[in-house]
This record gives sequence, structure tokens and C-alpha cells, in this order.
Amino acid sequence: QVQLQQSGAELAKPGSSVKISCKASGYTFTSYYISWIKQTTGQGLEYIGYINTGSGGTNYNEKFKGKATLTVDKSSSTAFMQLSSLTPDDSAVYYCARGTTTLAYWGQGTLVTVSS
Amino acid sequence: DVVMTQTPPSLSVAIGQSVSISCKSSQSLVYSDGKTYLHWLLQSPGRSPKRLIYQVSNLGSGVPDRFSGTGSQKDFTLKISRVEAEDLGVYYCAQTTHFPLTFGSGTKLEIK
Repeated sequence: QVQLQQSGAELAKPGSSVKISCKASGYTFTSYYISWIKQTTGQGLEYIGYINTGSGGTNYNEKFKGKATLTVDKSSSTAFMQLSSLTPDDSAVYYCARGTTTLAYWGQGTLVTVSS
Repeated sequence: DVVMTQTPPSLSVAIGQSVSISCKSSQSLVYSDGKTYLHWLLQSPGRSPKRLIYQVSNLGSGVPDRFSGTGSQKDFTLKISRVEAEDLGVYYCAQTTHFPLTFGSGTKLEIK
């Protein structure tokens, strides 16, 4: 069955970076893009962008350009998102999801807490 | 960006009652292929969002037929017939027609 397994919670200091992962299984990894979504209590669900898992091409929501960097390792069927220059506003649960049109499969979420 | 306006923000219902949630978009959600990419998600407490309905009215895998979706263009509705205890959580509408994907602000369903 399709599964997206995300890496564990992160505690980071302001100004630092974190890199979270999303390992896919149960399907052909390069057949679907991977999307990333941010969830906070205040802003709800926000779409960060997606990566073409075959070519590595990316498309970012304007709001997250310069904040998020999406990459992929086809050999391990894993997508990554690096968040840089962290501020408390980046504290959130981050989800990966398969594809960009159906939202059928989501990872379990990764909690990122930014605090000094 | 397409704004998704979801109402009401919360509902409290008894088991067995029926409820409806509205979702209105700031732009038509009909894509150039003629399909409408409006979906409904349920986030149960402590869980990831789960897709219930895709493309307005299609039930996701394993989703009971107590759930139904209707609508077109910019105006959509999720109906839950005969609410059960397991239905509690936050319901979101989401559009994947336009980039960036956008979500409604959620409707919290509580069981009386």
C-alpha cells in the first residue's frame, strides 16, 4: 500500500536550517510529484510547492520562495525539504503528499519547532 | 491565489443527524480539461488530513457513502448523513485546479 514516511520532530534555533524527509513506498516513486504543505494553528494549511520526482524540477508558492528548498533522491525514493533562516513563524507541522491534483496520500507530518 | 471560504467554522451535532458544510471559491475551479478539482479532507484529532471526496463528488477509497459532495464552478457542499462518532474532526475543502493549491480554513465538527 502507498505510504509516505516522514522524519521525526525537529527543534531548531532561530537562523538555522532543518531538512526533513519523506520516504515513499508502495508505488513507483517517479510516477508522481511530491507536494509539501505547512500547517499552523493560525494560518491553517498552506501549500509550499512541489517537486517533479523524475526530473527534480520544482515549483514553489511565491510565499515560500527563499524559505523552502525541495530536493529528491530517486535511489531511495525519498523527497526532502530544507527550511532555511528559521524564525518562530516557521514553527509548524509539515506534510508531504503524493501528487498535485488528488491529495489522496499524506505523510504523518513532521513537527518543526523554532525556539532559542 | 484562489481564496476558499468555508462555513460554518464549527458545528455541534448529535449522532444520527445530518450536516452540511459550504465551500466557496474566489475563482471558478473548472480546469482546462473540463474537470473540477475540488476536494474534501477530514483531519481527525492527532492525524494527518485524509481525503474523503475528490473532484466534487467522488468518494475516496473506503469512505462510507454517508458522505456526499455536490457543487460546481465556485460553490460546493459536503453533506454528512447520519453522523457517527468517528466523524469528529476538522473538515477542509481544497482546490488543486490553480497553482498554488489552496485550502479552506476548516470546519470543526463536534459530537454532542
